[in-house]
Amino acid sequence: DVKVTQSSRYLVKRTGEKVFLECVQDMDHENMFWYRQDPGLGLRLIYFSYDVKMKEKGDIPEGYSVSREKKERFSLILESASTNQTSMYLCASSSDRVREQYFGPGTRLTVT
Amino acid sequence: RKEVEQDPGPFNVPEGATVAFNCTYSNSASQSFFWYRQDCRKEPKLLMSVYSSGNEDGRFTAQLNRASQYISLLIRDSKLSDSATYLCVVRGNKLVFGAGTILRVKS
Repeated sequence: DVKVTQSSRYLVKRTGEKVFLECVQDMDHENMFWYRQDPGLGLRLIYFSYDVKMKEKGDIPEGYSVSREKKERFSLILESASTNQTSMYLCASSSDRVREQYFGPGTRLTVT
Repeated sequence: RKEVEQDPGPFNVPEGATVAFNCTYSNSASQSFFWYRQDCRKEPKLLMSVYSSGNEDGRFTAQLNRASQYISLLIRDSKLSDSATYLCVVRGNKLVFGAGTILRVKS
């Protein structure tokens, strides 16, 4: 079974803090994705990566950056957290950009 | 206009009922379609793919109407365990997720 893990289930940070969200997958997938999920808006793609050290902007990359130094690990960075970044963050991986995606359990981030 | 639109619900149905959800998409060049299921406070998981000819998996039937640009999911003989949010997903050059339809099955 594919397993995608995320570093924290719940996180509370203050405005202006730098926040790191970590995601690890164990299926040797090339493609990894970061989404945020908000009520009524569904999943919105922030960034994705199709190879180590490669990244592409999704639909809402502003305020975020990513890092992929190893194939199994994809990190999402909030350089200076703001209250409008309070959300559920979901990491996913897949063997192909448009095939089934396997999701991690999510990190519920609250920025106060 | 959103790329993928779903009725948010909630659909409240008794056990044993048949319920159907529709999802409309705006990109006529979309190539593949899926239904994902998301339980409360859990991650989304693939429920089934949607094929042009329609497909069935037990109590679940998915259909595609390319002319009208919508897909549907039919659940027969609803169980309490079917209570979840159902996400419609459309593939163009990436996967686009709908906001989901909430289903509540009550005893």
